[in-house]
Amino acid sequence: GAGVSQSPSNKVTEKGKDVELRCDPISGHTALYWYRQSLGQGLEFLIYFQGNSAPDKSGLPSDRFSAERTGGSVSTLTIQRTQQEDSAVYLCASSLALTPGYTFGSGTRLTVV
Amino acid sequence: KQEVTQIPAALSVPEGENLVLNCSFTDSAIYNLQWFRQDPGKGLTSLLLIQSSQREQTSGRLNASLDKSSGRSTLYIAASQPGDSATYLCAPRGGGGNKLTFGTGTQLKVEL
Repeated sequence: GAGVSQSPSNKVTEKGKDVELRCDPISGHTALYWYRQSLGQGLEFLIYFQGNSAPDKSGLPSDRFSAERTGGSVSTLTIQRTQQEDSAVYLCASSLALTPGYTFGSGTRLTVV
Repeated sequence: KQEVTQIPAALSVPEGENLVLNCSFTDSAIYNLQWFRQDPGKGLTSLLLIQSSQREQTSGRLNASLDKSSGRSTLYIAASQPGDSATYLCAPRGGGGNKLTFGTGTQLKVEL
C-alpha cells in the first residue's frame, strides 16, 4: 500500500483479555518496528524485525507481549492478559533499509478497562 | 544506551517568529537522524531526514542541521504559522542498535 496501515485504530478491552494489533507495512520494506506511547510520555521502543534475522525484542516490557511477522510483511503484536498500564497508543513503522527514514502508521489506541 | 534530550520542552511564540528547536544525543554512532511532528491524537509525520554524512537538510520553511560529533541537531522553523503547532520529536537511528530513540519532544504553540 501507499503507507503503513494499522488496525484497529481504536480498541477497548477488559482487563485480563488478550488483544492482537496488526501492522501492514509499506510493500518491500524490510524493517518493521513497534513502539508505544503512553499518555504524556515519549515513544518507547518495543520490538524490531529486519528481514529474516531474529527480531530485537529488547524493548518488550514483559512476557505478556509478543510479536510476529509473517512472510516478511504483516506483523501482529499480541498482548496477553492485558493490564490497565498497557493502555497506550501502539505505533508501527517500517523502512526499506538502514539509511532511509521511517514511515509511521497512525497507530492503535488501546484502552484497558 | 542512546539518550535523547530536547530543549525546550514547550514553546509558545507569536505567528511569524523564527524559532529553533534543539536536540542532543549521547551516542554519536548514528546512521541518520529524523525529525517528526506529532499532532494531538495522531501518529508521526516525518519532516526531515539527515544522513550521518550530511550537515543539514531543508524542506520549505524547515531546516535541520546535524553536528554528529558533538551529538546535536537543531530544527529551524522560519516564519512560524499557527498550523505549525504540534509536538516536534527528534530521533537518531543507530547508536548501538538499529532502532530509533526518541526524545520527549518540544511542544510548540504558534499563536495568532
